[in-house]
Amino acid sequence: GAGVSQTPSNKVTEKGKYVELRCDPISGHTALYWYRQSLGQGPEFLIYFQGTGAADDSGLPNDRFFAVRPEGSVSTLKIQRTERGDSAVYLCASSPTTGTGGMRDTQYFGPGTRLTVL
Amino acid sequence: DAKTTQPNSMESNEEEPVHLPCNHSTISGTDYIHWYRQLPSQGPEYVIHGLTSNVNNRMASLAIAEDRKSSTLILHRATLRDAAVYYCILRDVGAGGTSYGKLTFGQGTILTVHP
Repeated sequence: GAGVSQTPSNKVTEKGKYVELRCDPISGHTALYWYRQSLGQGPEFLIYFQGTGAADDSGLPNDRFFAVRPEGSVSTLKIQRTERGDSAVYLCASSPTTGTGGMRDTQYFGPGTRLTVL
Repeated sequence: DAKTTQPNSMESNEEEPVHLPCNHSTISGTDYIHWYRQLPSQGPEYVIHGLTSNVNNRMASLAIAEDRKSSTLILHRATLRDAAVYYCILRDVGAGGTSYGKLTFGQGTILTVHP
């Protein structure tokens, strides 16, 4: 079946601009996660949705970052007044959270959106 | 989540076994050991997980020390497609038996596979 998809794959913007990054999770997955990965580092957690609500947004670095998931499926990560330090690969993952065994909380990642802020 | 320690890099030859170590001396009784890997220019992918007993699946084996303070991911015959960053992650299942929520990634081990 289809995996997690993210659009765009690449986004170049100028400092101070607003950007939106989209994530389409695997159909039926109730949990959705956003991570950010800088060059040479492991992914860093940003926010986690269970259904439509943000269950944990402790990783959002500041109030310029916001994410929504209005219908419990597609999610959009929004970054206002972008800064050069926001340049990174933004990864989205989803997990089923139903079923049996440890696989229900396995996270399935998309290919990421590479954001470059000039 | 408890901290894990992995070597920065390892090298292997194609078709040879690879043993990737992970130390987690502060692991708690409810922490599962998960391994993910990240191929170049891709998002991470799940490899395997376990609690106390050794585990096998189509991708790899996971050997867990008796005291659970360390574990080893075993790739039985490395291929060029196994070249990736391998992350060892602890996840607390808690009283509910689930570990929903964030994954805490470290630096991981960069595995290079030589032809």
